[in-house]
Amino acid sequence: KQEVTQIPAALSVPEGENLVLNCSFTDSAIYNLQWFRQDPGKGLTSLLLIQSSQREQTSGRLNASLDKSSGRSTLYIAASQPGDSATYLCAVLGGGADGLTFGKGTHLIIQP
Amino acid sequence: EAGVAQSPRYKIIEKRQSVAFWCNPISGHATLYWYQQILGQGPKLLIQFQNNGVVDDSQLPKDRFSAERLKGVDSTLKIQPAKLEDSAVYLCASSLELLGSGYTFGSGTRLTVV
Repeated sequence: KQEVTQIPAALSVPEGENLVLNCSFTDSAIYNLQWFRQDPGKGLTSLLLIQSSQREQTSGRLNASLDKSSGRSTLYIAASQPGDSATYLCAVLGGGADGLTFGKGTHLIIQP
Repeated sequence: EAGVAQSPRYKIIEKRQSVAFWCNPISGHATLYWYQQILGQGPKLLIQFQNNGVVDDSQLPKDRFSAERLKGVDSTLKIQPAKLEDSAVYLCASSLELLGSGYTFGSGTRLTVV
């Protein structure tokens, strides 16, 4: 059974810093990995989708990497802003009919 | 493109009552999912549909939860009777196909059972 772990569980940094969120998964047989953002009381907003054949994806100040063989992904946020404060969730799509398996998320606070 | 629509946004009910949630996926998306997210946890898959057929409902508590997707478009999730531990956010998502494409989530329904 796929398990997804996100480290750290919570992070508070001053505005302007570059930061890295980590995600690890136990079964490397995945189709893709998706990073989401969730604001309090809201649904999930997709940030980046990395297919299993890809190594990274970039969108603006966000960069996500995937090392499928080691079961790891990182989300890099450059020049953080207070508006980046949210919970960031990592999810993997396995080969079975299990849908996306999520980690518990990293709660990020960017201090002005 | 219009997103995934869900209603209601919030619902408060007493335990043992019944409740229903509605979801309309992105047009053309064949696959639809219902997830349950308990506070402080990641979402957990309850059921997934491919068109109007069930692909997986192994984590759906079938003694009290039911879901249907008539005509392969919108879907309803029902809880009857509700328990206190059902308090959670219920998220609907859709994707173009079962494997390989990304998921798009709706805003969710926050259920409180008192």
